[in-house]
Amino acid sequence: GESVGLHLPTLSVQEGDNSIINCAYSNSASDYFIWYKQESGKGPQFIIDIRSNMDKRQGQRVTVLLNKTVKHLSLQIAATQPGDSAVYFCAEGGKAAGNKLTFGGGTRVLVKP
Amino acid sequence: EAGVAQSPRYKIIEKRQSVAFWCNPISGHATLYWYQQILGQGPKLLIQFQNNGVVDDSQLPKDRFSAERLKGVDSTLKIQPAKLEDSAVYLCASSPTKLAGGTDTQYFGPGTRLTVL
Repeated sequence: GESVGLHLPTLSVQEGDNSIINCAYSNSASDYFIWYKQESGKGPQFIIDIRSNMDKRQGQRVTVLLNKTVKHLSLQIAATQPGDSAVYFCAEGGKAAGNKLTFGGGTRVLVKP
Repeated sequence: EAGVAQSPRYKIIEKRQSVAFWCNPISGHATLYWYQQILGQGPKLLIQFQNNGVVDDSQLPKDRFSAERLKGVDSTLKIQPAKLEDSAVYLCASSPTKLAGGTDTQYFGPGTRLTVL
C-alpha cells in the first residue's frame, strides 16, 4: 500500500467519549480481519478479530464491525480512556492470501483529558 | 503465559555492517513471522516459518537478509550488509498451529529498533 510516512491520520477524542476508527481493506477474498493497538516503543497488541461469516463482534469496551459489501472495517471503543492513546492498525488475511496478514497504514488516537 | 521474546531491543550500526536479531516465540506456536516496520507505517511481512520450514519469503530481500529457524522454535534474522534504508523496527510474531484452513491470530514481540548510520 501507499506509504503514509510520519503523517498518520489522527483521531482526537475526549476522555469518556466513544471512538470509531475506520479501515478500508483491499481484497474481497479476505476472510479474516484483526485490529491491533501499538503503543510507542512496543509491538502490536491484539485487540479483537472477526471472521467473514460475522458482521459484528464485541469484546471488553470494543466492537468490530465488518461490512463486506463495501470492504469496510471499523473499531469502536466505548468510554475512551487515556490508556487507549496509541496507533491502531487493521489487518486482513485469509486463504486467498496464503493466510498471511496485510496491514493497513494505521490511525493515531489521542485521548484528551 | 510468556509472550514473544526478542533481543536486542535496540541496535545501532553503520552501513555495510552486519546485524542479527533473535526471537523466541510463544511456547507451542508452530508458525513464526518476521516483519519490518518503518516509522509511521504498518508492519510488512518479511518471512513466515511453519515449524522449521519456510512458508513464504517472497518479500525478503534475499541479497542481504537471511533468516533461519533450525529447530522449529527460536529464530534469527540477519542483515548483511546493512543499508541506511534498513532502519526500522523488526518485529517477530507467532501463532498456534493453523486450524482447518483458517488464519490464526498473530502475537507480536516488542521488536528490535535498528538504526543504520
